[in-house]
Amino acid sequence: GNSVTQMEGPVTLSEEAFLTINCTYTATGYPSLFWYVQYPGEGLQLLLKATKADDKGSNKGFEATYRKETTSFHLEKGSVQVSDSAVYFCALSDPGDGNQFYFGTGTSLTVIP
Amino acid sequence: EAGVAQSPRYKIIEKRQSVAFWCNPISGHATLYWYQQILGQGPKLLIQFQNNGVVDDSQLPKDRFSAERLKGVDSTLKIQPAKLEDSAVYLCASSPGGGYTEAFFGQGTRLTVV
Repeated sequence: GNSVTQMEGPVTLSEEAFLTINCTYTATGYPSLFWYVQYPGEGLQLLLKATKADDKGSNKGFEATYRKETTSFHLEKGSVQVSDSAVYFCALSDPGDGNQFYFGTGTSLTVIP
Repeated sequence: EAGVAQSPRYKIIEKRQSVAFWCNPISGHATLYWYQQILGQGPKLLIQFQNNGVVDDSQLPKDRFSAERLKGVDSTLKIQPAKLEDSAVYLCASSPGGGYTEAFFGQGTRLTVV
């Protein structure tokens, strides 16, 4: 079946530090992969996506590469800011499974000045 | 483009009462999802509609939860009777369809059952 395993949190970093949040997946078909971000009291917002192997998604300084050989989609940012503090969710959507979205458990990031 | 609209934003009810949530997806989006997000966990799919038909409701507790999407547009999710463990954020999302498009989420309804 389809599932997403995400690095446990919470993660606390100093401003300008390097961020990595690990995500691995299991899929029966050829999924699209996503990172969503959730700020306090708000819904999920798409951060970036990749639709096929070796694609790199990027947005707001964040990036993630779809690695089929390692079934991974790790999120990285070279220099985090206080405003990046949020919960980050890795997700996949499999067209062979009715386009249902499967989410990881989320990783809470706090960036301190 | 207007986003996914949900109401109410917050609801507090006593156990065994009933409650309903409303969702209006982005115009033209064929797929509509309802997710339950318990504090500290990732969203869990409750039901997925394609137009006004149900694609997947395997994780919907059908003894107490029901959902409908009349005319393939807006949708309501109902809980009757509510239990304490139903306390969660209920997220509605919509997608244009196809295999490679993201889902767009509403702000959610935070339900507290006391």
